[in-house]
Amino acid sequence: QQQVKQSPQSLIVQKGGIPIINCAYENTAFDYFPWYQQFPGKGPALLIAIRPDVSEKKEGRFTISFNKSAKQFSLHIMDSQPGDSATYFCAARPGSSNTGKLIFGQGTTLQVKP
Amino acid sequence: DTEVTQTPKHLVMGMTNKKSLKCEQHMGHRAMYWYKQKAKKPPELMFVYSYEKLSINESVPSRFSPECPNSSLLNLHLHALQPEDSALYLCASSQASGRSSYNEQFFGPGTRLTVL
Repeated sequence: QQQVKQSPQSLIVQKGGIPIINCAYENTAFDYFPWYQQFPGKGPALLIAIRPDVSEKKEGRFTISFNKSAKQFSLHIMDSQPGDSATYFCAARPGSSNTGKLIFGQGTTLQVKP
Repeated sequence: DTEVTQTPKHLVMGMTNKKSLKCEQHMGHRAMYWYKQKAKKPPELMFVYSYEKLSINESVPSRFSPECPNSSLLNLHLHALQPEDSALYLCASSQASGRSSYNEQFFGPGTRLTVL
């Protein structure tokens, strides 16, 4: 199935907390899993991405954990800051695609309280 | 220059109007995309151009007409739109040589369209 299920829909954490956003998929042919961050009034920006042959990837305070057998991947934000308050979208690319077509999750609105 | 620019920022149009959205990038990308995004929803892919040729049309109504006049420009021509077409229209671009090159899509800030 060409779907990516994302949860939770919204999340509130205190500054310094570690919000975790989860995504699940069915299609084992997906071969690329990016996360996008979108601030109000702006376009999405690529945050971090992972391929299914890697179980974890870190970039600064952002970590993707990938569980291929469970067909799940998640975003962890270490030492979260109020400036991280944004909407986060996970996505997956069909392996059969020769273009940049991405299947997006429904999004998670994160609020980090000072 | 890693920027995708879109004009106008805001557009209000009536259902009988004809208008165009414009997107420009100077990163040498040969893949360009149009997305539609409703409030609190993910972007929905509309069209993909690869090397100035339309490679994906996600069954978009004909009242939306894309055009890629050259490798840096992407237009979306609008005609006889409906109020439900009101949304944020996002343009994106990426490399287009080899599958992994399509990965990083750079998005513009979008055009906020309101159809009255």
